[in-house]
Amino acid sequence: DAGITQSPRYKITETGRQVTLMCHQTWSHSYMFWYRQDLGHGLRLIYYSAAADITDKGEVPDGYVVSRSKTENFPLTLESATRSQTSVYFCASRTDGQIYYNEQFFGPGTRLTVL
Amino acid sequence: AQSVTQLGSHVSVSEGALVLLRCNYSSSVPPYLFWYVQYPNQGLQLLLKYTTGATLVKGINGFEAEFKKSETSFHLTKPSAHMSDAAEYFCAVRLSGSNYKLTFGKGTLLTVNP
Repeated sequence: DAGITQSPRYKITETGRQVTLMCHQTWSHSYMFWYRQDLGHGLRLIYYSAAADITDKGEVPDGYVVSRSKTENFPLTLESATRSQTSVYFCASRTDGQIYYNEQFFGPGTRLTVL
Repeated sequence: AQSVTQLGSHVSVSEGALVLLRCNYSSSVPPYLFWYVQYPNQGLQLLLKYTTGATLVKGINGFEAEFKKSETSFHLTKPSAHMSDAAEYFCAVRLSGSNYKLTFGKGTLLTVNP
């Protein structure tokens, strides 16, 4: 399927477990992003990637790890999940070219619950 | 530092009534401004954006927004609400010169009553 997909869509895990959220885009966009959405906070940037093998921290990176070995994939790993990481996670990607204001395209989200 | 403030976390209108969702930003330089819509259990979809040029921008589904530099505002309007407009709306800002970072407001949930 064309576009940006996330898996799983729903995940329940326990405190201390490692969890990986997957993000895949078919457009070959250079930039990819991970956000979390929480009531009262809107969307907050966790990590972003400008290209394969180039990643950088966003606003709330603690407790998360990312990698980007291929342009199309940008997995997000919670190395030891905590209850405060219960959230909805969105992956996004951005077109190239007019770099200053191209829109970001969002995936459908992963709802993660940490018990 | 830039920030985005959406006034009103919840707005309720009647079908056919005017929709007005407010967004103010703080920035020392003119930013690029976006409105996104999120339908239940879906990701965010771009409604419209302001970059340069005409300050009144039109988006999808009959929405429009006007950039007012003097008021540091970018309010979203639609003349006549439809039931299908019920969703959460996010204002976002990207500073000119920043090639990646979007700062989002906390969102406004729009309810449309029949």
